[in-house]
Order: sequence, then structure tokens, then C-alpha cells
Amino acid sequence: EVQVLESGGALVQPGGSLRLSCATSGFTFSSFAMSWVRQAPGKGLEWVSGIIGSGDTRYYADSVKGRFTISRDNSENTLSLQMNNLRAEDTAVYFCAKAMGAEAVALWDFWGRGTQVTVSS
Amino acid sequence: EIVMTQSPLSLPVTPGEPASISCRSSQSLLRSNGYIYLDWYMQKPGQSPQLLIYLGSNRASGVPDRFSGSGSGTDFTLKISRVEAEDVGVYYCMQALQIPYTFGQGTRLKIK
Repeated sequence: EVQVLESGGALVQPGGSLRLSCATSGFTFSSFAMSWVRQAPGKGLEWVSGIIGSGDTRYYADSVKGRFTISRDNSENTLSLQMNNLRAEDTAVYFCAKAMGAEAVALWDFWGRGTQVTVSS
Repeated sequence: EIVMTQSPLSLPVTPGEPASISCRSSQSLLRSNGYIYLDWYMQKPGQSPQLLIYLGSNRASGVPDRFSGSGSGTDFTLKISRVEAEDVGVYYCMQALQIPYTFGQGTRLKIK
């Protein structure tokens, strides 16, 4: 059974940093691209970042480029999102999502339950 | 960035009746390989999103056949042939043609 579980969300001050993790099981992690998608309170979905199965290529939304870094550890089956210089507008539930292929970082067939990030003083 | 626009934003439906959601993209989602890079996701209350339709018209695994996707170029439609109570939630279209991937605003389906 495929499982995706996010952790690391917290309350952080503007300008602060946070590292999200996504632990996975039930599939060959290195064979699938992964993404982070977020949802601000009461709002819609926003794609944040993606990484291909090998980890060689990473993609970012303009809103987080230069501040967030996506990475993966294929030996530990985990995905991470390092978030620096956080802003109030980064407040959201962050979902970890498994793609259906190795190269295309879209098309997510399994999602975690999400982890809450709140940026506030 | 490709802009995705959905309508309506709220959709009250009587159980057993059909429902239709429209999605329009600011540029064509048809790639030279012939595929349409338009997906539909649904988010039930309090849950994570789930994939319904991919590449315009392909139902994801486990999705009932009352759900169907159609369209071409810039205009797309998600249809539910007979709405059931469990279909309540927010439906999103998303373009997967180019990064950044972008979603529509969401359509909230409610039961009358």
C-alpha cells in the first residue's frame, strides 16, 4: 500500500526557516517524481516545487524560487522541502504528492494528508 | 504563466441529476505529441486532493465511470452523469503543459 506522510510543519516568524519532510513507502521511490503542493487557508491549490525520480532536475514556482529548495533521499525514500526567508503568504497546508512517472513532476496519484505551516509574528 | 479559469465557482446539484464544470486555459494545452495536458482533481471536505481525470479524458484508477472529461485546445469540461452525495467537494482543473503548473480557482459542488 502506498503511503505518503508529511511532517515538519510549525509556527515560524517572518524571515525564519523550516524544513518539511515526506516519508514514503509502498512503492519504488526512486522511480517516481514528487512534488509539493500547498493550500492557503480557505484558498485553492498551488503547485510549489517538483523533483524527478533521480533527483537530477528540480522545478519551482516563481513565488518560492530562491527561497525554497526541494531534495530527495532515494536511499531513505524521503522527500524534503527546505524553506528559508518565510513570508506570511507562505502560510498554508503543504501536501507531498507522488507523480505517476519518473520524469514528469505533475500528475499526482497519491497525496499525503498535509502539514500546516504558519508564518506569523 | 498559463491562467486557468473555471465556471461556475459554486454548483448546487440534486442527487441523480447531471453536473458539468467548465475550465478554460489562456493558451492551448495540446502538445505536439497529440496529448492534452489537462487534469482534474477533486478535494472532499477535510481531505487531500485526489486525481480524477488526466490528459483531458482518462479516468484515474478507481474513479467511477459517471465521471468524464472532454475538451480540446483551451476549453474543457468535467461531467458527472448522475451526482451522488459522496461527490460533494471542490473540483479543480490543472494544466500540466508547462511549469509552473497552475490550477483553476475551484468549483464547489453542493447537494441541493
